[in-house]
Amino acid sequence: AQKVTQAQTEISVVEKEDVTLDCVYETRDTTYYLFWYKQPPSGELVFLIRRNSFDEQNEISGRYSWNFQKSTSSFNFTITASQVVDSAVYFCALSEPGRAGNMLTFGGGTRLMVKP
Amino acid sequence: DAGVTQSPTHLIKTRGQQVTLRCSPKSGHDTVSWYQQALGQGPQFIFQYYEEEERQRGNFPDRFSGHQFPNYSSELNVNALLLGDSALYLCASSLGQINEKLFFGSGTQLSVL
Repeated sequence: AQKVTQAQTEISVVEKEDVTLDCVYETRDTTYYLFWYKQPPSGELVFLIRRNSFDEQNEISGRYSWNFQKSTSSFNFTITASQVVDSAVYFCALSEPGRAGNMLTFGGGTRLMVKP
Repeated sequence: DAGVTQSPTHLIKTRGQQVTLRCSPKSGHDTVSWYQQALGQGPQFIFQYYEEEERQRGNFPDRFSGHQFPNYSSELNVNALLLGDSALYLCASSLGQINEKLFFGSGTQLSVL
């Protein structure tokens, strides 16, 4: 069975600090996809990144970066120079290709509060 | 380009009643998935519809049912509501079934009293 764990339920930082959100996953498949979504107060989940299990290259997009380490089953997300607008709940998710449908298994989320 | 739209935004029902939630997918998308998000938790997959058929189902009882129409819009029906059904119900659409990037709506907040 798949499982995603986000051990940090809530993080509070001051603007311009760097912050890393942790994600650990469990799966028996060798092929899978990992995702990060942002959920602002408005409720909709906003897609941030998708990474397949064969691509361990770290990715950077502006102030966002992702560190995928298959050896530790982790897919961590770092925000550099955080801003108040980054305040939201962030979810890590896992899906397994080859199954009908694209069911995502989500972690419990990390609430990030960035204070001015 | 309209994104995923859901209606209503909020709904209050009493135990034992039935409810129907609606979702219009993003333009060009043909697959709709439904998720339940309880307060303070991550979303949980309910089911997915593609070509007007339920393709995959999560661990939810038969009280939860759905439908997809020829225009790809979808409905989620919940019968015999329980207090525990109170949650944010999110609809997500995608082009294709397999591991595509999902676009989510803002959800319907259901309160069961």
